[in-house]
Amino acid sequence: AQSVTQLDSQVPVFEEAPVELRCNYSSSVSVYLFWYVQYPNQGLQLLLKYLSGSTLVKGINGFEAEFNKSQTSFHLRKPSVHISDTAEYFCAVSVGGYQKVTFGTGTKLQVIP
Amino acid sequence: EPEVTQTPSHQVTQMGQEVILRCVPISNHLYFYWYRQILGQKVEFLVSFYNNEISEKSEIFDDQFSVERPDGSNFTLKIRSTKLEDSAMYFCASSEIPTSGNTIYFGEGSWLTVV
Repeated sequence: AQSVTQLDSQVPVFEEAPVELRCNYSSSVSVYLFWYVQYPNQGLQLLLKYLSGSTLVKGINGFEAEFNKSQTSFHLRKPSVHISDTAEYFCAVSVGGYQKVTFGTGTKLQVIP
Repeated sequence: EPEVTQTPSHQVTQMGQEVILRCVPISNHLYFYWYRQILGQKVEFLVSFYNNEISEKSEIFDDQFSVERPDGSNFTLKIRSTKLEDSAMYFCASSEIPTSGNTIYFGEGSWLTVV
């Protein structure tokens, strides 16, 4: 069965500083990887996804993530964060042949002015 | 952009009562889901639904839960005899076709509080 580990439950970062949110997955077969964002009192919004091809994936709001098969990681990065990026970020995985998405425990990004 | 809509946004119910959470998936989508998020915990898969039947369900989705697509647009989650531990945010989601990696679009959620 697939699983996702988000190593940091909370990440405080100053505005305009870079940020990396870490995600590691485990699966014995090929996977599809996603990052979702949940703003306060809102639902889940897809930031980006990796299906195949280029390991560097660009998403909305200036975020990008890099798929690293050897390290089984899919870390999310942004070179310069804004106050509006304050939210909870969920890494998720689905396994080839199945639709179910398994979520990590989430990382709360707090941007400090 | 088309979106998944859910009603109600928040419901408070007494323990033991039945609750129906409603969802309108994106119109050309064929695959539907319910997930839940207990406060402070991660988002958990409950059930997926395709071609008018359940295609997969988690161990959470026991006999207390049921799903239905009563017409061409709505997708409902029924919780019979609610328990305190059913208090959570319930997310409906849909995707266009049952192909792995296809984007799953989530609604804004329905907060259920069982008292």
